[in-house]
Amino acid sequence: EAGVVQSPRYKIIEKKQPVAFWCNPISGHNTLYWYRQNLGQGPELLIRYENEEAVDDSQLPKDRFSAERLKGVDSTLKIQPAELGDSAVYLCASSLDHGGANTEAFFGQGTRLTVV
Amino acid sequence: QKEVEQDPGPLSVPEGAIVSLNCTYSNSAFQYFMWYRQYSRKGPELLMYTYSSGNKEDGRFTAQVDKSSKYISLFIRDSQPSDSATYLCAMSKAAGNKLTFGGGTRVLVKP
Repeated sequence: EAGVVQSPRYKIIEKKQPVAFWCNPISGHNTLYWYRQNLGQGPELLIRYENEEAVDDSQLPKDRFSAERLKGVDSTLKIQPAELGDSAVYLCASSLDHGGANTEAFFGQGTRLTVV
Repeated sequence: QKEVEQDPGPLSVPEGAIVSLNCTYSNSAFQYFMWYRQYSRKGPELLMYTYSSGNKEDGRFTAQVDKSSKYISLFIRDSQPSDSATYLCAMSKAAGNKLTFGGGTRVLVKP
């Protein structure tokens, strides 16, 4: 079974440009997470979806970040415009059933963003 | 002060030694505890998942949770060079909720 798939793996953009990341979760997983991981630190949650509903976006910088999960499957995270401080690894994760027994979160490989 | 504290290391051990990792946390609402392994330029890989206090063993890995002390541990027996990675602890208040991570401990197992 395929794991969480993210693309692109790497992205280099100039500041003030837009950028988008894509995530395909594990089939059947209804909960999807976007995390940001700065160098030498643990991941921090940006947004969590249950199906197509964003249930926790309290840490998403809404002035420049947006996300969507149409049809409750794939998800896209966008930054517009990007700033130098946005350079990080953006990780997508998914889990099977919120509140149920199998709620372990599985991560994708991440997208490494460099803003120059 | 961060909610979850983890020594960044690096922790260097000879092959075959026991690796001992730990995290402390401040929020007593955390109920679910996880350990992830992350190789360079890869995503975190789930190693252990436990609920509430107690021990859990899986092969060479043992996870311990002491909620009274707000302290969790991961032990790796018979360590191998392939165990060299960054180990992240993570915890959540409810199943499926957001994970709060420690900063990670870098481990180096020398042949």
